[in-house]
Amino acid sequence: QLHLQESGPGLVKPSETLSLTCTVSGDSISSSTYYWGWIRQPPGKGLEWIGSMSSSGTTYYNPSLRSRVAMSVDTSKNQLSLTLTSVTAADTAVYYCARHLGVVLLWFGELKGDAFDIWGRGTLVTVSS
Amino acid sequence: EIVLTQSPGTLSLSPGERATLSCRASQTVRSIYLAWYQQKPGQAPRLLIHGTSNRATGVPDRFSGSGSGTDFTLTISRLETEDFALYYCQHYGWSPWTFGQGTKVEIK
Repeated sequence: QLHLQESGPGLVKPSETLSLTCTVSGDSISSSTYYWGWIRQPPGKGLEWIGSMSSSGTTYYNPSLRSRVAMSVDTSKNQLSLTLTSVTAADTAVYYCARHLGVVLLWFGELKGDAFDIWGRGTLVTVSS
Repeated sequence: EIVLTQSPGTLSLSPGERATLSCRASQTVRSIYLAWYQQKPGQAPRLLIHGTSNRATGVPDRFSGSGSGTDFTLTISRLETEDFALYYCQHYGWSPWTFGQGTKVEIK
């Protein structure tokens, strides 16, 4: 059974870089054809898609965050990673990693995705000095 | 960016009643690109419906989805106590993929 677990520092100072890891267990990322995503949820608020990536490392980002976000995969550790630079209090949120049910692809310049069927429990990151 | 507006904000119902949740998109969304999630306090969202009307694995058949174009609906035919939660719709047809603001189904 696939299991996702987010980890990282719970507190980040303003203007610094947020770095999170998602450890995948129950399947090998390197042999997987699945796509993976990051979603965040500010306390008491709704959900925001951050970005998605293939198991081979192709990335797709939310345009609103593209200048500050990077995602990567480490197949040797079976982990996904997320970095977000120049954070502010507005980046305070629970950060989730999740698996896409199906493929993600660019179709005539449009990013077509699929629902997120398996989620990690999430990790709260607070941006504060 | 497609804005998804969910209504009502809160739905107060009793167990056994029918719940009808609405998700309206600011632009046309192809049916294959619309999903519904359930979220309980302190938990991650759980996928209920994908492609407008396809139940995810393990989802009871009292949950059903319908709609097309800009109007989509999640129906819970007979509310069970475990169904009282927050519900979000999401589109993933083109970037940025967005979520609605949520509908809370609470016990009346």
